[in-house]
Amino acid sequence: TQLLEQSPQFLSIQEGENLTVYCNSSSVFSSLQWYRQEPGEGPVLLVTVVTGGEVKKLKRLTFQFGDARKDSSLHITAAQPGDTGLYLCAPGVSNDYKLSFGAGTTVTVRA
Amino acid sequence: NAGVTQTPKFQVLKTGQSMTLQCAQDMNHEYMSWYRQDPGMGLRLIHYSVGAGITDQGEVPNGYNVSRSTTEDFPLRLLSAAPSQTSVYFCASSRGRQGGGELFFGEGSRLTVL
Repeated sequence: TQLLEQSPQFLSIQEGENLTVYCNSSSVFSSLQWYRQEPGEGPVLLVTVVTGGEVKKLKRLTFQFGDARKDSSLHITAAQPGDTGLYLCAPGVSNDYKLSFGAGTTVTVRA
Repeated sequence: NAGVTQTPKFQVLKTGQSMTLQCAQDMNHEYMSWYRQDPGMGLRLIHYSVGAGITDQGEVPNGYNVSRSTTEDFPLRLLSAAPSQTSVYFCASSRGRQGGGELFFGEGSRLTVL
């Protein structure tokens, strides 16, 4: 059983559209991280959220940490083909070191 | 800019064979970990280490051994490979809690067990 549930599992959209992916849990986290992984490579950190209700922006990407610190979302505005990849949420290491990642959302942006 | 280096990148084993996946980092990170990635399962933690001489089990440790004799190296050993261990393996390192917890990953090692 995954501690972190990500949805949807797959998302395919046209360039210019918006998308949101979700990371949910019944557990409370002191921090959550979002990574992006491209084919044949390891994941790369996008952001760490640490405060309930926090919103962080990274160019066209907006990350939100739920008020109760049990969930997070990633919103991409005007998606581009370069946004294609596997988006993974993970408990930050400020939590238990033993925790694993969510299963991820595979995002495909068609030109 | 080596970062985290994993070898080999590809390996094919027969059931019952043993092998070691190598992982080295040059960032003087205290925390190192091994994950396996399978379709639809995300990254599952196998073993981790918070410093030289200290290792602990993650979510899926069975069939794997690790050791941490130096800060730089964290090899993962498969003692008797099974087809269920066919996967892509990632090594990661981090400064840990003091460093904000960012994990730096290697490029992965794709293992096939026949």
